[in-house]
Amino acid sequence: KAGVTQTPRYLIKTRGQQVTLSCSPISGHRSVSWYQQTPGQGLQFLFEYFSETQRNKGNFPGRFSGRQFSNSRSEMNVSTLELGDSALYLCASSLAGVWEQYFGPGTRLTVT
Amino acid sequence: TQLLEQSPQFLSIQEGENLTVYCNSSSVFSSLQWYRQEPGEGPVLLVTVVTGGEVKKLKRLTFQFGDARKDSSLHITAAQPGDTGLYLCAGGSQGNLIFGKGTKLSVKP
Repeated sequence: KAGVTQTPRYLIKTRGQQVTLSCSPISGHRSVSWYQQTPGQGLQFLFEYFSETQRNKGNFPGRFSGRQFSNSRSEMNVSTLELGDSALYLCASSLAGVWEQYFGPGTRLTVT
Repeated sequence: TQLLEQSPQFLSIQEGENLTVYCNSSSVFSSLQWYRQEPGEGPVLLVTVVTGGEVKKLKRLTFQFGDARKDSSLHITAAQPGDTGLYLCAGGSQGNLIFGKGTKLSVKP
């Protein structure tokens, strides 16, 4: 079975721009979660989608949004980028919920 | 706010040594998971523990969930360079996974 894939792997953006990251879950997995990982804060939960609906949301500003498509693929969008948004963004899929997550390799976002 | 504290933050040992890393919280978790993350990769699930007092073994790795389901430990016997990585614990709560900041382990040959 193919693993979770994320595109792009690396991205450099300028402050004020917006960015869209993509995630393809493991075949058959309907839950997709997004996390932000930074050296200072560690791994922080952004949101979870299940069957195209946002089911859980972490404590992040509204600039961070996401969506899930009928084939379970997911995208997350960050608008009006700030320097502090520089991080590794990880997508994880699971069969039905946030337990036992299977992570992708992440997208390294650098905001200059 | 639920927090998971991991200790130590950093650990550098020689091949063949034993080690234990800890994951502690003041909150009760319905389940607890351990992941290992290598540079440039996403975390990989090692184990899930659900029952208080539960012990699970994965080759040279032994995982224990505290009786009160507030803490967990990971013990590695005869560490090898391939064990190098960031070890993360994560607790399940109210539909979210809360992660500790991790223990960065370096095993030197």
